[in-house]
Amino acid sequence: ELKVEQNPLFLSMQEGKNYTIYCNYSTTSDRLYWYRQDPGKSLESLFVLLSNGAVKQEGRLMASLDTKARLSTLHITAAVHDLSATYFCAVDPSFGNEKLTFGTGTRLTIIP
Amino acid sequence: GAVVSQHPSWVICKSGTSVKIECRSLDFQATTMFWYRQFPKQSLMLMATSNEGSKATYEQGVEKDKFLINHASLTLSTLTVTSAHPEDSSFYICSARGFRNANYGYTFGSGTRLTVV
Repeated sequence: ELKVEQNPLFLSMQEGKNYTIYCNYSTTSDRLYWYRQDPGKSLESLFVLLSNGAVKQEGRLMASLDTKARLSTLHITAAVHDLSATYFCAVDPSFGNEKLTFGTGTRLTIIP
Repeated sequence: GAVVSQHPSWVICKSGTSVKIECRSLDFQATTMFWYRQFPKQSLMLMATSNEGSKATYEQGVEKDKFLINHASLTLSTLTVTSAHPEDSSFYICSARGFRNANYGYTFGSGTRLTVV
């Protein structure tokens, strides 16, 4: 059974600081997704990582994938209040069964 | 970009009644749709996967007779919660994949908050 774990579960950080959210998964996969969820809302797609070593950046967020270590990171640079949300990683296992397994989620609160 | 419309956004129903949630792909053909359930402060849990024209595949522990899924066309899937009870209250989210977003992307609906009283 595929397990996807995120660390930390909760993160409170000051504006302007940098931090990293980690996503570990338990089986082979070369497809990993990052999503943002605001309270009461659905998911917003942030990044799609499709190969080992993939790195993508959008604004203050940067995501990377290491398939050998089964690890993805979401790095936040110079956090601003608008980034407060819950962030999920999700894994699509190899062999194309298409079923995403979501991580536990990281609730990020940016303090002014 | 690919858009998935989900209705209703929220619904309140009495215990014992049934509720239907619709999920439509607006600008692409959704070959596969997924239904998730999310309880407060928890992650998304996949309930079932549906392919157009065939029976849905339910995840372990999901009652197929309670959560009826129909994927009758390439643009519409419905989830019917039958004989709803308060413990079915949750946030239900659909997701779709198809030819247009075949860059390995999944498009999510806006979600339906179901409250059973």
